[in-house]
Amino acid sequence: AAGVIQSPRHLIKEKRETATLKCYPIPRHDTVYWYQQGPGQDPQFLISFYEKMQSDKGSIPDRFSAQQFSDYHSELNMSSLELGDSALYFCASSLGNFEGRGSTDTQYFGPGTRLTVL
Amino acid sequence: AQKITQTQPGMFVQEKEAVTLDCTYDTSDPSYGLFWYKQPSSGEMIFLIYQGSYDQQNATEGRYSLNFQKARKSANLVISASQLGDSAMYFCAMRGDSSYKLIFGSGTRLLVRP
Repeated sequence: AAGVIQSPRHLIKEKRETATLKCYPIPRHDTVYWYQQGPGQDPQFLISFYEKMQSDKGSIPDRFSAQQFSDYHSELNMSSLELGDSALYFCASSLGNFEGRGSTDTQYFGPGTRLTVL
Repeated sequence: AQKITQTQPGMFVQEKEAVTLDCTYDTSDPSYGLFWYKQPSSGEMIFLIYQGSYDQQNATEGRYSLNFQKARKSANLVISASQLGDSAMYFCAMRGDSSYKLIFGSGTRLLVRP
């Protein structure tokens, strides 16, 4: 079965540089979530999109922005990178059901992008 | 506010034995979902099992079962017949009614001994 695709898998950047992470959800999934997992930490929710509209926002720095495109893929743009941005960035997708409780809305995660800021 | 608590930072289990990983939660949402994910050392996050707050029966998926006690607000994961490949970090997570984001616990690192 097709899974969530993330690219690149590894990324090394210098401080103050920019980075773009890409996510391709499971086919027919309409909701995308971004999470950040620091070393030894649990994943922290950043932002989500449902049908190309932002649906929820978590602890995402103002230096970061994200969007979901017409083909449902999503990009996380990160500017003015700091050492503390070094982390594993996950994208997850689900089949949203915001009008009822019929689906489990299980989020399936991609393999992650490991970002290292030097 | 929602909260997930995993009180076991690390656990050992002998191969072929069963193990229970604890998870308690707190939420004011009337409807919610509870999830368990496995994170091997390679880093990916693998979905294991889901329990809805209104589900009458405990969820099972192969060797994984969820011991759901709603009154105690606990959702423990039971792994039967442990295998060496079960060695990983295990996260309990919750999705509330008002927001679809997942709130994670701090995780339990399981090591299966041969």
